[in-house]
This record gives sequence, C-alpha cells and structure tokens, in this order.
Amino acid sequence: GDSVTQTEGLVTLTKGLPVMLNCTYQTTYSPFLFWYVQHLNEAPKLLLKSSTDNKRTEHQGFYATLHKSSSSFHLQKSSVQLSDSALYFCALSGGTSGGNYKPTFGKGTSLVVHP
Amino acid sequence: EAAVTQSPRSKVAVTGGKVTLSCHQTNNHDYMYWYRQDTGHGLRLIHYSYVADSTEKGDIPDGYKASRPSQENFSLILELASLSQTAVYFCASSEDWVYAEQFFGPGTRLTVL
Repeated sequence: GDSVTQTEGLVTLTKGLPVMLNCTYQTTYSPFLFWYVQHLNEAPKLLLKSSTDNKRTEHQGFYATLHKSSSSFHLQKSSVQLSDSALYFCALSGGTSGGNYKPTFGKGTSLVVHP
Repeated sequence: EAAVTQSPRSKVAVTGGKVTLSCHQTNNHDYMYWYRQDTGHGLRLIHYSYVADSTEKGDIPDGYKASRPSQENFSLILELASLSQTAVYFCASSEDWVYAEQFFGPGTRLTVL
C-alpha cells in the first residue's frame, strides 16, 4: 500500500538557520503531496501542496519541490523563526486497490527553534 | 473560512464503555475523515466517508465504527472502549479526496481509564 516516510522525529535548530525536513513516499498512483503544520494544542492546517513534478511550491517562507524520480517532497526554509516551532506532517493522496483515493500521513517531524 | 467542530473537546471514559465522538462541518464538503493522533505515530486514518449514509474503513478501523447520517455530520463510535484507544481524535473535511486540502477540527482528547 501507500506510505509516507519522514526520517526525522525531532529537529532542533537555532533561529536564523536553514532547515530541511525530509519526506519520501511510495505509491503506484499519480501522487499528490501535502505539508501540514500543527502548532501546540492546535489542529493541523495546510502549509503547501503539489502534484507537479519538479516545480517549486512556496508559502509563508517555506518551499518544497515534488521530485517524482526520487519520490521526494522535502520541506525547506532558508531562515527559521521561533514561531516555526511546530509539528510538520507530510501527507500523500494516493490510490487504493478499489480505485479510490485515501490520504496517508507520515509520522511527523517536530521542529524546535531556539533563540 | 472552512469550519469543522468536534464534541466533546475532551472526555474520560471507562474501559468497556461506549463512546461517541461527533463532528460537524459547515463547508458543504462531501469528504470527511476521522484520525487518531498518538505521539510517534502521527495521524492515522480510522474511517472516512464521501457521501451521506456510507463510510469506508481507513488504515486502523478495528475497534471503531463510523456513522455519516448527513453531509454535515460524521460520528466515531467506540462500542467497547479500551485503554489503547486513549488518544487525540481529529475530524477533517475536504472538497475532494485527491488534491483538496483537509480542514481539521480542534480535536477531542479521549482518556480511557
């Protein structure tokens, strides 16, 4: 079945440094990839999404490029802020054996930014 | 702005008891989902629905039932609550299930004792 892998459970950084959160996926269907962000005691909300190969998508200073050749959709930011501390989920809309689509989420990466 | 509400926001249940978590959306979305969140496991899909009066099993449906009596309402039912079902439960809705973003409710913190 479909799967999403986020290799880092916790990333700790100093404010102002760049960050990259890894996301790789597996599906036999045409992939649609999402990044959601969840701040403490809040609901997850969409950060950005893509289905276009090799096209950079940006939102709120974060960016990601879907690379179908390597099945990756890594999230990056050039300079993290204290307010970026949150849990980040990579998600995939992939197909099922019945021909339907259902979402699959990675386990999440907790980003902690220090002053 | 899309709106998904959940009730109750928190609940303490006894082992073996019945628990019903409710979700209501005013987005006019056809697709609704129930997830549970546990530390280290991220969000796992329990049940989902794309039309009223029909539900589908997600990745971890065992021990849970779902009900979609109308487009706006989607319930998650634990007939015999167990300790292992202690978690935070999120409901979400989306316009479609391929490319549209999901809008999440505020979550329900369930503790089973």
